[in-house]
Formats: sequence, structure tokens, C-alpha cells
Amino acid sequence: SQQGEEDPQALSIQEGENATMNCSYKTSINNLQWYRQNSGRGLVHLILIRSNEREKHSGRLRVTLDTSKKSSSLLITASRAADTASYFCATGGTGANSKLTFGKGITLSVRP
Amino acid sequence: DTAVSQTPKYLVTQMGNDKSIKCEQNLGHDTMYWYKQDSKKFLKIMFSYNNKELIINETVPNRFSPKSPDKAHLNLHINSLELGDSAVYFCASSQLTRTEAFFGQGTRLTVV
Repeated sequence: SQQGEEDPQALSIQEGENATMNCSYKTSINNLQWYRQNSGRGLVHLILIRSNEREKHSGRLRVTLDTSKKSSSLLITASRAADTASYFCATGGTGANSKLTFGKGITLSVRP
Repeated sequence: DTAVSQTPKYLVTQMGNDKSIKCEQNLGHDTMYWYKQDSKKFLKIMFSYNNKELIINETVPNRFSPKSPDKAHLNLHINSLELGDSAVYFCASSQLTRTEAFFGQGTRLTVV
């Protein structure tokens, strides 16, 4: 069954603006990850935040995690046209052989 | 060097045929996966192998048979292909199941 639910499903912004994407999940997690997928390509890992962390930064990316609300957000600051892609959140479970479960994805369009 | 490579990139075949997709990773990871991405971009895990042992087998028709000859390879064989099998299939690998996953470029399978 699907674990992560991202919103919005589609987001269109102007270059230079910030983009905020949200993800909600249902069960206990070990970590939450964000991936990017450019059209026709594979997924690229962006950032991983563990269940005992609340915020993490990587370059123009900022991820927050609220385990009490079972939600996460990905903020991309000063967006660029090259950030146009689909973004997925994925949750890693707590079991020894847990799997990565992906949400439906958010399509981000950054207008030049 | 490509970290996770899968072949072929495109596969067009007729209903009823049998086909294989190959995947290799040179990252030294111990866990490999097959994911299916449908036309709505939803990613669903199919199989997971850890050290050549099957650890996750989601509800996948038994026409799909994964084979892991060694830790670096996980191939997917599909018998009696059906129209509904048309999708993009992604191979991925990670070290254990609690870290980031690296994805291949995908194999776009079209069954006609």
C-alpha cells in the first residue's frame, strides 16, 4: 500500500521563487528521503532525514520532519529552471528488511 | 562510471513473449530492488534482494521471476507478457535497507 502522499500534486513557480512540497505518511519510519526524477530518467537521491532529526539542509534544499504529525516538507530556495522535475518522498521502515515506499510524486515546473 | 546500469533501455515486444531485463551495480551494495513505475508515475516495489536472498516479494504475478546470481546483479525475467505489464521498470541498490537508494535509468517496456 502507498505510504507517502505528497502535496501539491503539481506546482508551477517563477525562477528565483521558493518551492515548498509536502509529504505525509502513515506508519512508523526509520527515515524519510526525497528524490528527484527528470523526465525520462531514473530517480536521484536528494536528501535523507532520520526519524530522530527535525531539520536538515543540503545546498538550496531544506527538509523538515515532524514525526508527531507524520509529515515532511522539502523547500527548494531560489529555484532554477533546471529544478523542473518530479519530486518524490519515500519512507524507510523500522524493520530490518524494510523497504522504501514512495509517494505519488509532485511535478514542479520552474518558469524561466 | 555508471553506478546502477540496466539493459535494455527500451523494450517493445508482443503479448505472450518472454523477456528479461538485466541490472548490475558497481557500488558494492548488498541490497538490490526492482520497482515498477506506471503511467501516472506511481512507483511500486516489486522485489528486494539482500546478499542474493529474496527478502521482499510484493504481490506480483508469478510470471515475474527475479534472479540474483551474485550481489552485484539482479535480473528480472517476465513470462507471457501482457498489455498491463507496459511500464517503466527501475532497478535500484542500497547498502542495507535504511540508506539512500541509487537507481538505474529505467527500462521502458511496451507490450503490443
